Order: sequence, then C-alpha cells, then structure tokens
Amino acid sequence: EVQLVESGGGLVQPGRSMKLSCAASGFTFSNYGMAWVRQAPTKGLEWVATISYDGSSTYYRDSVKGRFTISRDNAKSTLYLQMNSLRSEDTATYYCTRQRYYYFDYWGQGVMVTVSS
Amino acid sequence: DIQMTQSPASLSASLGETVSIECLASEDIYNNLAWYQQKPGKSPQLLIYYASSLQDGVPSRFSGSGSGTQYSLKINSLESEDAATYFCLQDSEYPYTFGAGTKLELK
Repeated sequence: EVQLVESGGGLVQPGRSMKLSCAASGFTFSNYGMAWVRQAPTKGLEWVATISYDGSSTYYRDSVKGRFTISRDNAKSTLYLQMNSLRSEDTATYYCTRQRYYYFDYWGQGVMVTVSS
Repeated sequence: DIQMTQSPASLSASLGETVSIECLASEDIYNNLAWYQQKPGKSPQLLIYYASSLQDGVPSRFSGSGSGTQYSLKINSLESEDAATYFCLQDSEYPYTFGAGTKLELK
C-alpha cells in the first residue's frame, strides 16, 4: 500500500524558514517523480514544485522560485521542501504527492504551515 | 500559464441523477487532464487521468471525456458518497494548474 506521510509543519513567523519532510513507503521511491501541492484555507489547489525520480530536474512555480527548494533522499525514501523567506501567502496545507508520468496519483494526508507573527 | 476554467462552481443533485462538470483550458492540453475528488478534511483522490482513463479502484459511474481545450467529468447514478469537491488538473506543462473546483451537494 502506497503511503506518504508529511511532517514538519506548524506556525512560523514571516521571513523565517521551515523544512517539510515526506516519508514514502509501499513503492519503489526512486522510480517516481514527486511533487508538493498546497491548498490555502478554504481555497483551491496549487502546484508548488516537482522533482524528477533521480533528483536531476526540479520545477517550481514562479511565486516560490528562489525561496523554496525541493529535494529527495532516495536511500531514505524521503522527499523534502525547504521553505525560506516565508510569507503570509504561503500559509496552506502542503501535500506530498507521487507523480506518475505527469499526473499525481497518490497524496499524503497533508501538513499545515501557518505563516504569521 | 495555462488557465483552467471549471464550471459550475457548485451544483446540487439528487441520488441516482447524472451530473457533468466541465473544464476549459486556455490552450490545447492534448488530453493531459486529470480529475480529483476531495472530501472535507481529506486529501484529493485521483479519479481520471489522461482525460478518460479510470484510476484503479474508482467506480465505473465516473467517466471523463474531451479533447483539445474542453473536458468533462460525468458521474452517473449519484450516490451519497459522491458529495465532495471535484477539481481538474492540467498536467500538460509547468506550471501545472488546477480548476477552481466544483462543490457537489446531494439533495
């Protein structure tokens, strides 16, 4: 059974940093691209970043480019999202997703990030 | 960026009815369109990929169709468990973009 378990969220002040982790199990992690998708409270879904199966390629939405870094450790089957210079508009539930070819086929339960002073 | 215009924003239907949800892309997305169901407090679940392929384990009353810029999700014979918000996703090019969502209420 595919499982994606996020951790590392919480309350953080504007301008500070936070790192999210996603522990994957139930599939061969190193065979799949992975992504982060977020959802602001009562809002729609927003793709944040994608990393290829081997980590050689990364893609970001413009609003997080230069501030967020997606990475992975295939030996640990873990995905990361380093978030720097956080803004109030980054407040959201962040979902770790497995990317099968292009679409997202499995999602974690999500982790809440609140950026507020 | 490719814009995804989803309609309607909400709809109310009765058990056993059939409903359709539409997504219009701002440019051709070559069938790279997925549909998701999200229930309150839960993560999205994949229903349809490549516009019309049914994800394993998803009931056959869900179906997808379309091409080019116009796509639709049809739900036949509505059941109570279908009450949820539905989103489309274009995965043709980055940045991937979602529709704003359709909230389906069962009468």
